[in-house]
Amino acid sequence: GQQLNQSPQSMFIQEGEDVSMNCTSSSIFNTWLWYKQDPGEGPVLLIALYKAGELTSNGRLTAQFGITRKDSFLNISASIPSDVGIYFCAGHPIQGAQKLVFGQGTRLTINP
Amino acid sequence: DAGVIQSPRHEVTEMGQEVTLRCKPISGHNSLFWYRQTMMRGLELLIYFNNNVPIDDSGMPEDRFSAKMPNASFSTLKIQPSEPRDSAVYFCASRPPAAYEMKLFFGSGTQLSVL
Repeated sequence: GQQLNQSPQSMFIQEGEDVSMNCTSSSIFNTWLWYKQDPGEGPVLLIALYKAGELTSNGRLTAQFGITRKDSFLNISASIPSDVGIYFCAGHPIQGAQKLVFGQGTRLTINP
Repeated sequence: DAGVIQSPRHEVTEMGQEVTLRCKPISGHNSLFWYRQTMMRGLELLIYFNNNVPIDDSGMPEDRFSAKMPNASFSTLKIQPSEPRDSAVYFCASRPPAAYEMKLFFGSGTQLSVL
């Protein structure tokens, strides 16, 4: 089946630093979503992207739908302790019926 | 607004026992998805429903797994008999009716441990 390559798998940063992560696919997607999962909870939707080149912000989070439609990026500026968690990208392939494909996640750890 | 509600939050059972997981989707959402999450395989789609009808169950691991959605506000995922390899976190998610919107809203999950 289709797969997303999400990187990095984990990040260890200092509080206040900026964070960047991305997802790539071998096929074209028409929707990209970014989720965050806290321990013991389900993924929570952060940002949804629907057009190639689209750049959308949600507070300190900014995500972009890649021009090629095969990738997406998430940036977090000025990280704070509550940003700790696992971030997942998810994409809806052109031929994907109504199913999302999820990345393997990026685990973010912040040193105070 | 209430989100997706799952019960129980935690389930510990012995191998061979029947397990039933429950989900109440967000009111007004017409699609419901069951996912399983493990460290090794990440988030796996098991089955999804549109308007209470199962559309794709190709992710259901084997015949021991079954899912129902008798009405728009309730779904169950049943494992019978359960096995230790079924231990995972099971998530239910729902989606609003807008065709272009693929936004899934997840519940808090059921942590299943089969001993």
